[in-house]
Amino acid sequence: GAVVSQHPSRVICKSGTSVKIECRSLDFQATTMFWYRQFPKKSLMLMATSNEGSKATYEQGVEKDKFLINHASLTLSTLTVTSAHPEDSSFYICSAGLTGVLDTQYFGPGTRLTVL
Amino acid sequence: DQQVKQNSPSLSVQEGRISILNCDYTNSMFDYFLWYKKYPAEGPTFLISISSIKDKNEDGRFTVFLNKSAKHLSLHIVPSQPGDSAVYFCAASATGTASKLTFGTGTRLQVTL
Repeated sequence: GAVVSQHPSRVICKSGTSVKIECRSLDFQATTMFWYRQFPKKSLMLMATSNEGSKATYEQGVEKDKFLINHASLTLSTLTVTSAHPEDSSFYICSAGLTGVLDTQYFGPGTRLTVL
Repeated sequence: DQQVKQNSPSLSVQEGRISILNCDYTNSMFDYFLWYKKYPAEGPTFLISISSIKDKNEDGRFTVFLNKSAKHLSLHIVPSQPGDSAVYFCAASATGTASKLTFGTGTRLQVTL
């Protein structure tokens, strides 16, 4: 149980385009999902907390207009990187916690974004 | 400001021996700690966790120890196996922060034959 999927696993796009990444909890409902970013050989940095049915909460320094988050249902959250630039190239990972047992988060496999 | 630190970027251990991975934290509000294992280009996999009301939690080959006064936790893997080779992250959260995790910088464990 507690499987989280992400799609796509890898995406290459041109500078200036927008890219949407989906995060799904496959066998449980998640009122809260989290989006992380990992730079090479660095730790995972929390970008934002995605709340079902309400606005996402962004961490300090993360541009909410740049990284649009939508949590339309209890099993799906999307992250859209708008007007992507090469510096947005990174590994993006989502996680979800079991409703009522939020402390243990289960992570998706990640999405490698490369902006040319 | 790195609130969760893993001071050893890498560790090499022989198969069958004990692997000890260390983690220190500075935020006294943290009351729940987790260890994750991560392979390249994959998401972290949950291994084991511990609440601040405990000082030890064991699950099979994995044991986590928490020393609150020292703000230090460690993960023991015994016996170590080649399949344990990965990057290990410790993470911490505080009650009332909607379960936001703060991750350490990771330790790359290599288990040699």
